[in-house]
Amino acid sequence: DIQMTQSPSSLSASVGDRVTITCRASHSISTFLSWYQHKSGRAPKLLIFYLSNLASGVPSRFSGSASGTDFTLTISSLQPEDFATYYCQQSHSFPWTFGQGTKVEMK
Amino acid sequence: EVLLVESGGALVQPGGSLRLSCAASGFSFSSYSMNWVRQAPGKGLEWISYISLSSTTRHYADSVQGRFTISRDDARNSLFLQMNSLRDEDTAVYYCVRDHYYALDHWGLGTLVTVSS
Repeated sequence: DIQMTQSPSSLSASVGDRVTITCRASHSISTFLSWYQHKSGRAPKLLIFYLSNLASGVPSRFSGSASGTDFTLTISSLQPEDFATYYCQQSHSFPWTFGQGTKVEMK
Repeated sequence: EVLLVESGGALVQPGGSLRLSCAASGFSFSSYSMNWVRQAPGKGLEWISYISLSSTTRHYADSVQGRFTISRDDARNSLFLQMNSLRDEDTAVYYCVRDHYYALDHWGLGTLVTVSS
């Protein structure tokens, strides 16, 4: 199975900050990497698919990139509505797997 | 508007069974693969099962393999998850999720399954 190691598990940031979250895959997953935002009590929301493609309606301050098997979600300027938990997920091979999650909290 | 509504969650004893349903609307259900994803209390998201178009292919997480069965009824725009031999660690919110080109692009609000004696 492909393991997705996500870091950090949590971070504190202020509105306007640049935020970076990283996932490392245990094996090559090509570009089959997605990012999700989850707020408590709500349905998770797809942010980015195929490594760097923005889902419909997602603001351009969100972006995805990769270097080898290291994947990065960047929020260029954190907004109040961005405080949430973020997950990476690989769909290269079954079983699909998620990272452990990163909780973005207000500093 | 894409809408996925889960139902069937309940309190069940260890070793018991439960069948979850998901009613889909707002899109051509038969044209999409579907999934179940769960979140245990205080834990992260866990993908647990996938079913392809026309039910041709099904996949399961190791944690539920042999105990859970995913199915779909395209005529009723519905997805199901039959859960047998339930364990305490199956306690979670279960989400019905649409799959669009290997990304989980639409999620329901989830249904809570509690396994406890």
